[in-house]
Amino acid sequence: DSGVTQTPKHLITATGQRVTLRCSPRSGDLSVYWYQQSLDQGLQFLIQYYNGEERAKGNILERFSAQQFPDLHSELNLSSLELGDSALYFCASSVGGLPYQETQYFGPGTRLLVL
Amino acid sequence: GENVEQHPSTLSVQEGDSAVIKCTYSDSASNYFPWYKQELGKRPQLIIDIRSNVGEKKDQRIAVTLNKTAKHFSLHITETQPEDSAVYFCAARWPGNQFYFGTGTSLTVIP
Repeated sequence: DSGVTQTPKHLITATGQRVTLRCSPRSGDLSVYWYQQSLDQGLQFLIQYYNGEERAKGNILERFSAQQFPDLHSELNLSSLELGDSALYFCASSVGGLPYQETQYFGPGTRLLVL
Repeated sequence: GENVEQHPSTLSVQEGDSAVIKCTYSDSASNYFPWYKQELGKRPQLIIDIRSNVGEKKDQRIAVTLNKTAKHFSLHITETQPEDSAVYFCAARWPGNQFYFGTGTSLTVIP
């Protein structure tokens, strides 16, 4: 157990809908990262937050957004869902973003199925 | 563009032999290179990482080497065991703090 929690574990929804995925980092970690893992795309970095502020942005679609709250938990919002959004979404956390603080610990993931 | 290439995509070795997985990256300013092991249905777990100011790092049976000039880094697993069977991912951190992953290597250790 990495200490990172994600809810829900599974999510089934329909095209066009909107969902929210939640992540709680390890105690003391200030950075949260979001990743998408699909069979044909591998692991894709979406976005990173550090202490409530966006730190880095990867291949995140405009239909997706995220935020990190004052208690450091983070939410990833996916809207106007398409079949191709079906994937495993991982959250990871690290102490910070500075050198020697960037070891990431992954949560168990949320499996999203869009029908 | 941003790219991390990983080879091979599949690798089978006999128990006790060594396994080597190689990755190349495109941005010479990348400064941090972690390796993850992911077992079926589980989360990726960091097994070793290396920073751009170091050429080699070893942790028991696992080692990583970095060649900044050639922009490639490799994972070496010695004395492989069946429990080493998993998918291994390399990653590189770009200067803007984005992470890019290789496409994964499925390692099978045959008892």
